[in-house]
Amino acid sequence: RKEVEQDPGPFNVPEGATVAFNCTYSNSASQSFFWYRQDCRKEPKLLMSVYSSGNEDGRFTAQLNRASQYISLLIRDSKLSDSATYLCAVTPHNKLIFGAGTRLAVHP
Amino acid sequence: GAVVSQHPSWVICKSGTSVKIECRSLDFQATTMFWYRQFPKQSLMLMATSNEGSKATYEQGVEKDKFLINHASLTLSTLTVTSAHPEDSSFYICSPSLNPYEQYFGPGTRLTVT
Repeated sequence: RKEVEQDPGPFNVPEGATVAFNCTYSNSASQSFFWYRQDCRKEPKLLMSVYSSGNEDGRFTAQLNRASQYISLLIRDSKLSDSATYLCAVTPHNKLIFGAGTRLAVHP
Repeated sequence: GAVVSQHPSWVICKSGTSVKIECRSLDFQATTMFWYRQFPKQSLMLMATSNEGSKATYEQGVEKDKFLINHASLTLSTLTVTSAHPEDSSFYICSPSLNPYEQYFGPGTRLTVT
């Protein structure tokens, strides 16, 4: 089993849609959780950290469920510029391990 | 934010040759350096972790004699792909870290082995 698993995607949504990505992790000792955004042929950029209480940053909301070892990212009011691959990442053993990513394509 | 540079940004080489990739943290000192590679449409896979002045720790399945990592200073690390083969063609990304919660990424090096 992979350490971090994500929805395979791709997600094709119209502008203004709400879209949710899910991610599960296998190592219960993981301490930190993140969502990254990666554009084609670029390095990943940190979108947001994920906290146990859940956190929001503008149109983006991240949630963590430690009991179920599950992380989610909700994007509201999708913009064309949100088109990218979204990677969840966790840190078991002080190493950042990524999921395979979910591709999002927002169309007019 | 932290500035990380990688050089070269892309390289094409012939099978059997070696390629050196440099990663520099320009405005901070990285105690730990992580090296990742990413094959097309796949995720970033951690290759190795190195601390300044110490030998790198390689992930399972990554050949340490093929991927030589040098972390000679807190601002510079190099990855050398020795005797490159077409299957080594990938996107290599360095990630200097101040601590487990502050990890930054270089812009990546796209290697194509012909």
